[in-house]
Amino acid sequence: DAGVTQSPTHLIKTRGQHVTLRCSPISGHKSVSWYQQVLGQGPQFIFQYYEKEERGRGNFPDRFSARQFPNYSSELNVNALLLGDSALYLCASSPGWGVSTDTQYFGPGTRLTVL
Amino acid sequence: DAKTTQPNSMESNEEEPVHLPCNHSTISGTDYIHWYRQLPSQGPEYVIHGLTSNVNNRMASLAIAEDRKSSTLILHRATLRDAAVYYCILRAINAGGTSYGKLTFGQGTILTVHP
Repeated sequence: DAGVTQSPTHLIKTRGQHVTLRCSPISGHKSVSWYQQVLGQGPQFIFQYYEKEERGRGNFPDRFSARQFPNYSSELNVNALLLGDSALYLCASSPGWGVSTDTQYFGPGTRLTVL
Repeated sequence: DAKTTQPNSMESNEEEPVHLPCNHSTISGTDYIHWYRQLPSQGPEYVIHGLTSNVNNRMASLAIAEDRKSSTLILHRATLRDAAVYYCILRAINAGGTSYGKLTFGQGTILTVHP
């Protein structure tokens, strides 16, 4: 079975540009979460979507936005890129919402470098 | 979110047991204890979780102190493939609202396994 897939694998942008990262959850999973992992730190929660609705948001500026599509795939958008946005962006999927023992399955991430 | 404290790093030899500690002195009665690990160049992966009783699965064992203020992840025979960053995370049973999908990662413990 395919796991969580993310695209692209790597991306290089310059300051001020916009970026879109994509995530496909495990088949049958309806929830997608996004995390940012800066080098040397643990992942930080950005968003969670379930059934195409935002269900949670971390402490990130409004430059970060996301959406979930009818097929449960998701996009993370970041506007006006800053050098500090350079990080590994991780997507995780889980079967549902509201069950705190649900395992989150992570993709390999997208490595974003902002120059 | 209740906070967890882990050692920055630990070392082990291959085929020896490894005990990874986690302190969570402010844990509430409704917090599950979850462990995830992140292998080099990969997204985090679920290891195990528990509430009050010790738990075993094919990957590891989780020993939970009687007062639940600490726990220990036990790898019974470490292999080179177990070299990773191990994260101890608390998740509320009924987080609800905007907290459900959020995994709060700390710095984790970097486990080095020597051949």
